[in-house]
Amino acid sequence: NAGVTQTPKFQVLKTGQSMTLQCAQDMNHNSMYWYRQDPGMGLRLIYYSASEGTTDKGEVPNGYNVSRLNKREFSLRLESAAPSQTSVYFCASRVDSSYEQYFGPGTRLTVT
Amino acid sequence: QKEVEQNSGPLSVPEGAIASLNCTYSDRGSQSFFWYRQYSGKSPELIMFIYSNGDKEDGRFTAQLNKASQYVSLLIRDSQPSDSATYLCAVNQGGKLIFGQGTELSVKP
Repeated sequence: NAGVTQTPKFQVLKTGQSMTLQCAQDMNHNSMYWYRQDPGMGLRLIYYSASEGTTDKGEVPNGYNVSRLNKREFSLRLESAAPSQTSVYFCASRVDSSYEQYFGPGTRLTVT
Repeated sequence: QKEVEQNSGPLSVPEGAIASLNCTYSDRGSQSFFWYRQYSGKSPELIMFIYSNGDKEDGRFTAQLNKASQYVSLLIRDSQPSDSATYLCAVNQGGKLIFGQGTELSVKP
C-alpha cells in the first residue's frame, strides 16, 4: 500500500516548455487534489477532482490543466511553463467518509 | 483578512516544555479542522483532526477547538527536538482544505 505517489520528484524546465506531473493513489479515494507550495504562501489549491470524470478549479488554476484519467490517477499539465510556476507541487487524496487528506511526496519544479 | 491565519514564528521552546500553536479562521460555517506537520523538504503529514468543540487528545498532542471564537490550537506536551517542523492548520470549506501559512516550531535540546 503505497498511498499517494508522484512522479517525477524533481524537474527543471525552460520557459515555454510543457510537462505533465503524474499522481496516483491506491486507497480507492474518490477525491484528489493538486496544490502548489511557495515560501511564505502556504499551500494553495490549483485544481481538484471530486470523482472520476469531474474536475474543478481551485484558487490558482491559471496556466495549468488537469486530467482525471481514472479513479487512481490525476495528472497536472503545464502547457507553457513560466518562471512564476517554479514551486513544489503536491498531490493529495481524501478519505471518502471524512475530509482528511493525505499527501504525496511532492515534485520540485524549477522553470528557468 | 486571510481565511486561515497562523503566526509564522519561529516559535522556540526548550525540550520537555509545552508548545502551543494557534490558528484562527474566518468562515463561521467551517465544521472540520486539521493539523499537519511538515518537516523541511518533506510533504505535509496529518497528525490531528477535530470536528467538535473542546479538546481531543492523541498521545502528546492535544487539539482544541472553540467555534464561537473561531479558534483552533495544537498543544504538544513534552516537546522533543524531533517535533521541530512547520505545523500547518487547515480548515475544511465545502470539501476543500484552506491552509494557513504554517508556524515553524523549533525545540531546543
